[in-house]
Amino acid sequence: GAGVSQSPRYKVTKRGQDVALRCDPISGHVSLYWYRQALGQGPEFLTYFNYEAQQDKSGLPNDRFSAERPEGSISTLTIQRTEQRDSAMYRCASSLESSGDYEQFFGPGTRLTVL
Amino acid sequence: AQSVTQLGSHVSVSEGALVLLRCNYSSSVPPYLFWYVQYPNQGLQLLLKYTSAATLVKGINGFEAEFKKSETSFHLTKPSAHMSDAAEYFCAVSAYPNFNKFYFGSGTKLNVKP
Repeated sequence: GAGVSQSPRYKVTKRGQDVALRCDPISGHVSLYWYRQALGQGPEFLTYFNYEAQQDKSGLPNDRFSAERPEGSISTLTIQRTEQRDSAMYRCASSLESSGDYEQFFGPGTRLTVL
Repeated sequence: AQSVTQLGSHVSVSEGALVLLRCNYSSSVPPYLFWYVQYPNQGLQLLLKYTSAATLVKGINGFEAEFKKSETSFHLTKPSAHMSDAAEYFCAVSAYPNFNKFYFGSGTKLNVKP
């Protein structure tokens, strides 16, 4: 399909391990967003990119979290030294342009469980 | 910063009845407002959005919402519920200078009874 895809869909890891979550946006979309969604809550903004440039990373909880989009397409969210509190659904979205006028299309998410 | 409050984490209606999902926002500048729907194991899908044009916004699947500045509200309605409307609904707000930074509410799960 032509939607936003994320991999893996489910990730179980042990505390202290590093994880990398991948997002493949809709082809041609300039902007890419990462959100975290805890159980029973709405998505919480983490960071976003225009092309390969990270425009806002104010939502990243701490320096264990980082994201990149080196070629302006696929993006990776990396969590180092995972902790149990990192367990959540991580969602990626993309939009044609970087304005609120443009719809953000969401992927199915990656469910991360840290044991 | 902006914020959203969705009253009622669970709403149950009968098929054919009016659907009303409440959303109140907080923003010191004129907001953009959105409603998204989430079906199980799927991503969020945009239902409708308000971006400072008409205050009554019509969306997909027969849903609509009205922006009321005096009440800081953006409630979602549908005249007649269908079984297929059962899902989780999220209200979101964004505003200048970061229109693409969305703040979501905690969601309302809609149950439709036959």
